[in-house]
Amino acid sequence: AQKITQTQPGMFVQEKEAVTLDCTYDTSDQSYGLFWYKQPSSGEMIFLIYQGSYDEQNATEGRYSLNFQKARKSANLVISASQLGDSAMYFCAMREGGVLTGGGNKLTFGTGTQLKVEL
Amino acid sequence: EAEVAQSPRYKITEKSQAVAFWCDPISGHATLYWYRQILGQGPELLVQFQDESVVDDSQLPKDRFSAERLKGVDSTLKIQPAELGDSAMYLCASSETGTGVTDTQYFGPGTRLTVL
Repeated sequence: AQKITQTQPGMFVQEKEAVTLDCTYDTSDQSYGLFWYKQPSSGEMIFLIYQGSYDEQNATEGRYSLNFQKARKSANLVISASQLGDSAMYFCAMREGGVLTGGGNKLTFGTGTQLKVEL
Repeated sequence: EAEVAQSPRYKITEKSQAVAFWCDPISGHATLYWYRQILGQGPELLVQFQDESVVDDSQLPKDRFSAERLKGVDSTLKIQPAELGDSAMYLCASSETGTGVTDTQYFGPGTRLTVL
C-alpha cells in the first residue's frame, strides 16, 4: 500500500483564491511527522510546513495551513490568497517513528500535485 | 540564510561514463541525505549519513553507486558506469540531528543528470 497518496495530479486556481491540496497517509506508528514541500520548475525542494502526529492544533505558516484530520489520516495543505509564484509541484511527505520509538528519519514522498495559478 | 549547496546543477554524460556529484550541507547539520527523483515522481532516499557513517543505504544500487562523507561535512555521490535509467534529479538534503519527528530536512537545488 502507498504510504503517501496525493490523488490530484494537477490543480488550477485563480489568483487571490484559496486552494486545497489533498494528502492521505498510511502508518501504524503513533509518532510521525507530516511535511509539505514546494518544488518550482528550477528543481529545488522548499520546505513549507510541518505537522506532528501529537500536535493538537493545525500548523500554520503565513499563507500555508495544514488541515490535519488524524482519524481520517489526511493532511491537506491549504494555500490562501494564491499568487502567481505559487505555481509549482507540491509534495506531501511523512516520517515515521521518532525519539521514543527509535525510528529512522527517512522521508516518504507522495507523487505530487502540479498547481497552476491563473490570472 | 544557510543553504545546502550542490554542484554541478546540470550534467550530461554518455552511458558507461563515470559521474560525480557534490553536496555541502547546512553548517552544523549532522545528517546528510541523497535522494533520486525520477521525472513525475517524488524523491526516493538513496543514502543517509549520520556524521561520517552510513545509517541507511538500502536503496543504493551498490554495484554502480557509491557515496562518501569522509570528514562528516560535505559529501560526494558517484555513479560508475552511468546507465540510461540513471537520468534523474539528484537531490541532497541535510537536517540538524537526524532523529525526532521535528527534525526538518532542507534540500539543495539538485543536480539534473542526463545520460545519453
